[in-house]
Amino acid sequence: DVQMTQSPSTLSASVGDRVTITCRASQSISSSLAWYQQKPGKAPKLLIYKASSLESGVPSRFSGSGSGTEFTLTISSLQPDDFATYYCQQYNSWTFGQGTKIEVK
Amino acid sequence: QVQLVQSGAEVKKPGASVKISCKAFGYFFNNYAMHWVRQAPGKSLEWMGWINAGNGDTKYSQKFQGRVTITRDTSATTVYMERSSLTSEDTAVYYCARERNYGWFDYWGQGTLVTLSS
Repeated sequence: DVQMTQSPSTLSASVGDRVTITCRASQSISSSLAWYQQKPGKAPKLLIYKASSLESGVPSRFSGSGSGTEFTLTISSLQPDDFATYYCQQYNSWTFGQGTKIEVK
Repeated sequence: QVQLVQSGAEVKKPGASVKISCKAFGYFFNNYAMHWVRQAPGKSLEWMGWINAGNGDTKYSQKFQGRVTITRDTSATTVYMERSSLTSEDTAVYYCARERNYGWFDYWGQGTLVTLSS
């Protein structure tokens, strides 16, 4: 199975900060990567697919990049609604990273 | 609009089985695969398996192979996930999620909490 490793596990940030989360795959997955946002008690929400394609309705402050084994999710200017946990997912064989929680600094 | 509505919370005893439903609304059911994902308390998301809603083909994670069965009823636009021989480690929220195109999940159910209690 392809293992997905996210870093950091927790990130402390303030409103307006630029935030970057990294996800590494144990083997090449080309661009078969998605990013999801999850808030407590809620289902995950799709943000990015094909590594860099923004899902319809998702604010443009979210962006994704990378291919092969290294990927990043960037929030250009953190908003109050963005404090949540973020997961990467490779969908060649469907495994998730362990998550990155963005908390208030 | 697209909606996935799951059945309600369950409390089960160790060794029992549970069957959760996921009813799809707002799209042509047969055209999309459906996946099941598990999330234990405070943990990450764990893929369990999927079903091709059109032809019924299934694939399961090796971890759950033999203890999970995913089925569908096209007339009811509903997918089911049955988990047998439950243990305390199976206490989790179970989600169904629709697969779009080449593998990512664009819509999710609200989740079903399964609690193991003796």
